Amino acid sequence: QSALTQPASVSGSPGQSITISCTGTSSDVGSYNLVSWYQQHPGKAPKLMIYEVSKRPSGVSNRFSGSKSGNTASLTISGLQAEDEADYYCCSYAGSSTHVVFGGGTKLTVL
Amino acid sequence: QVQLQESGPGLVKPSETLSLTCAVSGYSISSGYYWGWIRQPPGKGLEWIGSIYHSGSTYYNPSLKSRVTISVDTSKNQFSLKLSSVTAADTAVYYCARHSATVTEFDYWGQGTLVTVSS
Repeated sequence: QSALTQPASVSGSPGQSITISCTGTSSDVGSYNLVSWYQQHPGKAPKLMIYEVSKRPSGVSNRFSGSKSGNTASLTISGLQAEDEADYYCCSYAGSSTHVVFGGGTKLTVL
Repeated sequence: QVQLQESGPGLVKPSETLSLTCAVSGYSISSGYYWGWIRQPPGKGLEWIGSIYHSGSTYYNPSLKSRVTISVDTSKNQFSLKLSSVTAADTAVYYCARHSATVTEFDYWGQGTLVTVSS
């Protein structure tokens, strides 16, 4: 069982917006603005999409945005495209003992 | 361009030690950043194993800490993972990755290598 809880799957049509939630606790997501999101296509390595809750690395589309409220972080993808179909993982810092925890992953299907 | 490449045996027997190396090119490990290992069992999610700083400081996933050793060889610009007493539950794709002091920001990844634990 993963430390962070994500929905197993979400779906949306091209052009729509979707949001993926990532629920942790006051020991991880709720205490630190160190949440990141990764996109993973089948057979490929994960790709950093969002870091420090809402920052985008250079080269990542501004269709991807992140936010946090309390113990829950969210990834929003606007203007869905076929290429966005992938697995998405959240990741949070969890303090000096546990360090890094991941969510269980969410499969995004573009209908 | 920073590139990472994992290497090591693809098959390990139960109770033995899994050993992998990550060769880094396009960036000198001695220049900074942290270097980590993440694994992904087939069909499952990501699990952080541990990380090392170029100085040799390490920190590990508490659930694996008793079996994990991560080391760095700055002269070869590579870092390594050893996981002892492996079982079938350790079968996974193992990734190496770079991250900054903000430990959740893994910005460069290797392609991953599948390690199967089986007799």
